[in-house]
Amino acid sequence: GESVGLHLPTLSVQEGDNSIINCAYSNSASDYFIWYKQESGKGPQFIIDIRSNMDKRQGQRVTVLLNKTVKHLSLQIAATQPGDSAVYFCAERESGNTPLVFGKGTRLSVIA
Amino acid sequence: DTEVTQTPKHLVMGMTNKKSLKCEQHMGHRAMYWYKQKAKKPPELMFVYSYEKLSINESVPSRFSPECPNSSLLNLHLHALQPEDSALYLCASSPRDRATEAFFGQGTRLTVV
Repeated sequence: GESVGLHLPTLSVQEGDNSIINCAYSNSASDYFIWYKQESGKGPQFIIDIRSNMDKRQGQRVTVLLNKTVKHLSLQIAATQPGDSAVYFCAERESGNTPLVFGKGTRLSVIA
Repeated sequence: DTEVTQTPKHLVMGMTNKKSLKCEQHMGHRAMYWYKQKAKKPPELMFVYSYEKLSINESVPSRFSPECPNSSLLNLHLHALQPEDSALYLCASSPRDRATEAFFGQGTRLTVV
């Protein structure tokens, strides 16, 4: 299930189940969106991206959905594995001339 | 080479010390960034360099002083820090003129005592 702690929402899933991590963004001018995975003690690692002219993009075991109407982004992970346990951040930028702005993050905990 | 390399990985410094964090990339990226990340929080932008010139300073205190000696290197000079400055400092780079992902280093874990 999903719970919201003091600082970081946590999503706990059983190994093999699908995970859905959500993100709301506020800047309607954002043109590019990314999902990053961050493991403890490491820097953010790119997972998948999507541009504003698309509403869905698939990678290996991951899918990103973009709903510009409600400014919502989601990351779906199929057949979640213990190695997927990490904190996931969405990030957005308006263009190549503007920096990335990160969302709050969600901790994914995979139960073996 | 798609790596951003940061040194040192860990740093403990006193409030009167002067130290520097270093970042290096050889991807030809002309935008480089410093982010600060506290525990359980997202990275927060500090500085942006574009073509070796400082383009964004997010109201960062002057005890943090960035420097971009050339297109591959980015430094963050630290002086008279406070314990609340303890955090993970992340360097990132990206192509300047295309909206793509930023490549992040592993970060420097800074502890101010």
